[in-house]
Amino acid sequence: NAGVTQTPKFQVLKTGQSMTLQCAQDMNHNSMYWYRQDPGMGLRLIYYSASEGTTDKGEVPNGYNVSRLNKREFSLRLESAAPSQTSVYFCASSKGTENYGYTFGSGTRLTVV
Amino acid sequence: GNSVTQMEGPVTLSEEAFLTINCTYTATGYPSLFWYVQYPGEGLQLLLKATKADDKGSNKGFEATYRKETTSFHLEKGSVQVSDSAVYFCALNSNSGYALNFGKGTSLLVTP
Repeated sequence: NAGVTQTPKFQVLKTGQSMTLQCAQDMNHNSMYWYRQDPGMGLRLIYYSASEGTTDKGEVPNGYNVSRLNKREFSLRLESAAPSQTSVYFCASSKGTENYGYTFGSGTRLTVV
Repeated sequence: GNSVTQMEGPVTLSEEAFLTINCTYTATGYPSLFWYVQYPGEGLQLLLKATKADDKGSNKGFEATYRKETTSFHLEKGSVQVSDSAVYFCALNSNSGYALNFGKGTSLLVTP
């Protein structure tokens, strides 16, 4: 009963380094999302994938890229990390983009120094 | 655009007190409304939802009624427990939208 699995749970990067956050779901959901959570800002959508083979920008996409590798996996890449990208990143999935609740992963806490 | 406004926290209550967390929204069309809960160190979990006006969502003693006339979806619980201490997020999904819009969250601390 894994749900949504995110790796890694914690990461420290130096400014300018790159990394990929991994996300996989085992619920046969069509839609997947990446959010970042910052104090006092709530959750902001970075990118989403409404279905396999499609990706679209959310509210705060600058500095990020995504790949919907297959129906299960949706990765988030930081090409050149900046301190402003220090945040907690959450992946989520849902059956579709309307009226469905999301299942969230447990998050990745990223610090960029 | 779509947006959600929640009351500022933190909210501190004694065990068995009555809880209300206010949530109002702005949206096009007829959105679906959600409450999520986040316990320390964890991801968000769906608490309850309502998909049309006058619907009441309920779960684990929490309730919220979709009020279209006041564009509100306030979360209530009659008697809170220490284990209810968490951050609560109100969210909406407009029928013309593509993802959930979240409020900034309200931190609740329940003391014995």
